Amino acid sequence: DIQMTQSPSSLSASVGDRVTITCRASQSIASYLNWYQQKPGKAPKLLIYSASSLQSGVPSRFSGSGSGTDFTLTINSLQPEDFATYYCQQSSSTPPYSFGQGTKLEIK
Amino acid sequence: EVQLVESGGGLLQPGGSLRLSCAASGFTFDNYAMNWVRQAPGKGLEWVSAISATGRSIYYADSVKGRFTISRDNSKNILYLQMNSLRAEDTAVYYCAKDQFGFGEFGLDYWGQGTLVTVSS
Repeated sequence: DIQMTQSPSSLSASVGDRVTITCRASQSIASYLNWYQQKPGKAPKLLIYSASSLQSGVPSRFSGSGSGTDFTLTINSLQPEDFATYYCQQSSSTPPYSFGQGTKLEIK
Repeated sequence: EVQLVESGGGLLQPGGSLRLSCAASGFTFDNYAMNWVRQAPGKGLEWVSAISATGRSIYYADSVKGRFTISRDNSKNILYLQMNSLRAEDTAVYYCAKDQFGFGEFGLDYWGQGTLVTVSS
């Protein structure tokens, strides 16, 4: 099975900052990488699919890049509502479609 | 408006069984693959199981294989998860989630609110 490793596990930043979260797959997954945002007590929300495609309705300050084994989620000009936990998920070939362990983005 | 509403969670003892349901509305249910994803208290997301639009293709995480069974009733727009031989480590909020299109390749675009399953003696 493919393992997904996110870094960092937690991150402190200020409103207006630019932040980058990294996700690494244990083997190549081409561009089959999705990013989700989850706020406490809420269901996850799809932000980015296929590594770099912005989901409808998601602000353009969110962007994704990468292919193969290394991927990044970038948030430009952090807004107060962006403080949450972010997860990557691989969707290469057949399931299991494993998630990374999550990155908690906190206000500095 | 797409809606996914889970039900069936509760408190039960180790070794017990439970069936979760997810009622879908606002989209053509039998056109989309569906998934169950769980989250243990204070932990990350764990993909559990997926079923194709027709129900012919089914997959499970190793952690639940042989104990859980996913199914769907396309005539009623309901997704199910039959959970047997439950263990303490199955304690989690269980979410049903809709595939955006295809079979998982493009992410899970709608999620239910989740239903809590607690396994404890």
